[in-house]
Amino acid sequence: QKEVEQNSGPLSVPEGAIASLNCTYSDRGSQSFFWYRQYSGKSPELIMSIYSNGDKEDGRFTAQLNKASQYVSLLIRDSQPSDSATYLCAVSPGSNYKLTFGKGTLLTVNP
Amino acid sequence: GAVVSQHPSRVICKSGTSVKIECRSLDFQATTMFWYRQFPKQSLMLMATSNEGSKATYEQGVEKDKFLINHASLTLSTLTVTSAHPEDSSFYICSASSRTSGDEQYFGPGTRLTVT
Repeated sequence: QKEVEQNSGPLSVPEGAIASLNCTYSDRGSQSFFWYRQYSGKSPELIMSIYSNGDKEDGRFTAQLNKASQYVSLLIRDSQPSDSATYLCAVSPGSNYKLTFGKGTLLTVNP
Repeated sequence: GAVVSQHPSRVICKSGTSVKIECRSLDFQATTMFWYRQFPKQSLMLMATSNEGSKATYEQGVEKDKFLINHASLTLSTLTVTSAHPEDSSFYICSASSRTSGDEQYFGPGTRLTVT
């Protein structure tokens, strides 16, 4: 059974702080890793993808991947109230394969 | 780029009727489309994977005769909920990927189904 584990939260941070979201996965064959953001009542939105060990930065978001530890994280710098959402970690063994999602971490950014 | 639409966004139907939900990739050719269901405060549940021109692959526990999936073209997939019952009320979301998007899946806005 392939599993993706996330802390369910809620994770609460003050505005302007760094939010750190973590994810571990069980399938060592996983090749692709994604972070989706889902606002309440809406569908998921892809915010980051990462395929190689190390860091990948996009604006205020940084994804970190460590395949040896089977660990992927998302850092959100200068957190804003609009970042308040559920963040879903997803992994895949390759192209056009189904994603395995974690249950999501609810992030609340307090003004 | 990578826009996926769904229609309708909301639908209310009577128990025993069938409902069709359309999922379209607007600016790319979707070689693979996925259908998910999400109940309130729960995680996404994958229902099936469909490749253009072939039969859908259903996840364990999903009734293929109740949830009919057709992926007739590279830009359109449909999910038909047959003989809907109140317990089928949920948020149905499709996603799509392409040969060029590789592993990335792009989600449609979802369809909220209420069966009365």
